[in-house]
Amino acid sequence: KQEVTQIPAALSVPEGENLVLNCSFTDSAIYNLQWFRQDPGKGLTSLLLIQSSQREQTSGRLNASLDKSSGRSTLYIAASQPGDSATYLCAVRKGYSTLTFGKGTMLLVSP
Amino acid sequence: NAGVTQTPKFQVLKTGQSMTLQCAQDMNHEYMSWYRQDPGMGLRLIHYSVGAGITDQGEVPNGYNVSRSTTEDFPLRLLSAAPSQTSVYFCASSLQGFEAFFGQGTRLTVV
Repeated sequence: KQEVTQIPAALSVPEGENLVLNCSFTDSAIYNLQWFRQDPGKGLTSLLLIQSSQREQTSGRLNASLDKSSGRSTLYIAASQPGDSATYLCAVRKGYSTLTFGKGTMLLVSP
Repeated sequence: NAGVTQTPKFQVLKTGQSMTLQCAQDMNHEYMSWYRQDPGMGLRLIHYSVGAGITDQGEVPNGYNVSRSTTEDFPLRLLSAAPSQTSVYFCASSLQGFEAFFGQGTRLTVV
C-alpha cells in the first residue's frame, strides 16, 4: 500500500525566507505527483503536477522536484509572503485516476 | 468555467438519515472521485469512477454508494448516516493521468 509522508507537519517562517517542503512515498512506481494548496475551510488548489519522467516543474516562485527512484519530492518556495500561509499537500498517482495524499505541511509566514 | 461544483456546502444530519452529496464538472473529464478529509487522517479515497457507468471502491467505501450515469455528474449517497461519517467531503475530476481539480467541499455533521 502506498504511503505518503510530509515533513515537517508545521512550519513558521518570517516573510522573505526561502523554504523547502518535503514529501516522501513508499512505492516508487508512480504515474505522477501533484502539489496542492489548501486554505482554511476551502478546497484544494493545484499548484504543480510532475510526471514520473520529469525531474522538476516551476510556476512563478514555486519549484517542485521529483526523484522517483528514492521516493522523494520537494516543493521550494522562494521569497515567501504572508499570502503563502496555507496547508500544502502532496499526492501521488499510481494508476491513471486516483491519488494518495500526505497529511500536509501547515505553513505560516509572518510579516 | 465553473470547474467542479459541489452541493450543499454545509449539511447537518441526524443519525440514520440518508442524503446525497452532489458533484458536477463541466470539463468533460472521464475520471471523478470522492475523498473525505478528517483531522489527523488526511484525505482518503471513498469511491471513484473512470467513466459513465463504471465505478469502483476506494480505501473507505463502507456506508457510501455511488453511481455515474453521465460524464458530468457523480453523486455520493449516504445510506444511513452515522456520527463516524462527520467529515469534509471533496469531489475531484481529471483527464486520464492529468491534473486533478477539486470542488470546494461539503462539510457534513451527523448528530
